[in-house]
Amino acid sequence: DTAVSQTPKYLVTQMGNDKSIKCEQNLGHDTMYWYKQDSKKFLKIMFSYNNKELIINETVPNRFSPKSPDKAHLNLHINSLELGDSAVYFCASRIGAGNSPLHFGNGTRLTVT
Amino acid sequence: AQTVTQSQPEMSVQEAETVTLSCTYDTSENNYYLFWYKQPPSRQMILVIRQEAYKQQNATENRFSVNFQKAAKSFSLKISDSQLGDTAMYFCAFMKHVYSGGSNYKLTFGKGTLLTVNP
Repeated sequence: DTAVSQTPKYLVTQMGNDKSIKCEQNLGHDTMYWYKQDSKKFLKIMFSYNNKELIINETVPNRFSPKSPDKAHLNLHINSLELGDSAVYFCASRIGAGNSPLHFGNGTRLTVT
Repeated sequence: AQTVTQSQPEMSVQEAETVTLSCTYDTSENNYYLFWYKQPPSRQMILVIRQEAYKQQNATENRFSVNFQKAAKSFSLKISDSQLGDTAMYFCAFMKHVYSGGSNYKLTFGKGTLLTVNP
C-alpha cells in the first residue's frame, strides 16, 4: 500500500552506462517531481510534471531525461553516467491544492563507479 | 530566486528537553507555504508540519510547533519533550506557485539541521 514507490532502491553501475529509475504513485496526485540529494544531504529539484506535462526543468544535464507515460508514473532515465551523478534520487508527488505537501518515495541510492 | 537558510548544521538535545531549529527564507512573494520535513537514518522524507503564509496562527502538531514571523521571514521549529526517535536531519522548505494556471508548485529546501537526541 506504499503511496510513492521507487525502484530500484539501490543501483550500482559503471561510468558510461545508461540506467533508469522508476516511480509510481497510487495517491491520485496530478503533479510529480524528481529531486537529487547529494553527499551533503542537500535536496535540489530536478524536474516536475503536471498531468504528464513537463513544468519545471532545472539546470540539469541533457543526459537526464524524465518520462511520464501517465499521471501516476514518472521515470528518470540517465545516459552516459558520470561519477558526479552518484547521489540519492527522490521521487515525490502532490495534489494541486496550495498547501498540499509533497509525498516522497524512499529514494534510490545511485552509485557510479 | 527563493533561498532557504538553516544556520545550524548540527544540534543536540537531551531526551525530554525542548529544542528550537531556526530557518529563514528570502522571497518577494506574499503567498507561499512553509514546511518542515524530517529525514531519519532510514532516508525516508517525513512531513513534520506545514504553515500557510496567509495564516497568522502558528501551526502545531502534537510536540511540534512553529514560530512563524512573516515580516522577519523566519520559520523556526520547536520540538517539545524530545524523544530518541526525533533524531534525524530536519529540512525547512519553502513552496510557491511557479507558473500561472494549474497546480504548479516548486518546493525549495534548506541545507538541513542534523538533530541528535541524547538519552
